[in-house]
Amino acid sequence: EPEVTQTPSHQVTQMGQEVILRCVPISNHLYFYWYRQILGQKVEFLVSFYNNEISEKSEIFDDQFSVERPDGSNFTLKIRSTKLEDSAMYFCASSEGQGAHETQYFGPGTRLLVL
Amino acid sequence: AQSVAQPEDQVNVAEGNPLTVKCTYSVSGNPYLFWYVQYPNRGLQFLLKYITGDNLVKGSYGFEAEFNKSQTSFHLKKPSALVSDSALYFCAVRDNRGRRALTFGSGTRLQVQP
Repeated sequence: EPEVTQTPSHQVTQMGQEVILRCVPISNHLYFYWYRQILGQKVEFLVSFYNNEISEKSEIFDDQFSVERPDGSNFTLKIRSTKLEDSAMYFCASSEGQGAHETQYFGPGTRLLVL
Repeated sequence: AQSVAQPEDQVNVAEGNPLTVKCTYSVSGNPYLFWYVQYPNRGLQFLLKYITGDNLVKGSYGFEAEFNKSQTSFHLKKPSALVSDSALYFCAVRDNRGRRALTFGSGTRLQVQP
């Protein structure tokens, strides 16, 4: 069964450094998403991406964040200058693009630790 | 703004007994409701969803959920719990007005005792 994959599984970085989290969505999906889960808290929506542009973003997704689909398979989340509070599990998801009723399928996550 | 409440941090049930994990929601318009499960060190796995139609929705691994519009609830149920069902369960909602962002509840840890 097709799955969303994410790399790396864990990332440790110093405050102020840039990080890039990578995702390979399910191959025929058209919508891509990033969510994050700070330890012990809810899963929170960050951004959705369709047709090579951001379709929706939350207030968390500020200028420090950017997303890109650099080629036909990868979908990346970049944090330009990491802060301690960016430490979280970051989940990528994808969906077919049939409508708001559709299911989003999640990857295993990247655990980011900012020191 | 849409929101989801999962009132129980943890639910304990003996293997073989029925289980219920509660979820209530608030959304403008009609809701699309989802249940996901998270096993340790794993991502969120889709269990089931309610879009329209039958209020009782059947999903993976023997789980089902009942949509109750008057009570704005979408409780997850299983007639007979397994130890392997022990995991973290998340309820999520999206409205039918075009936004795709899912709003999640805080999660409920299900512990099934042998």
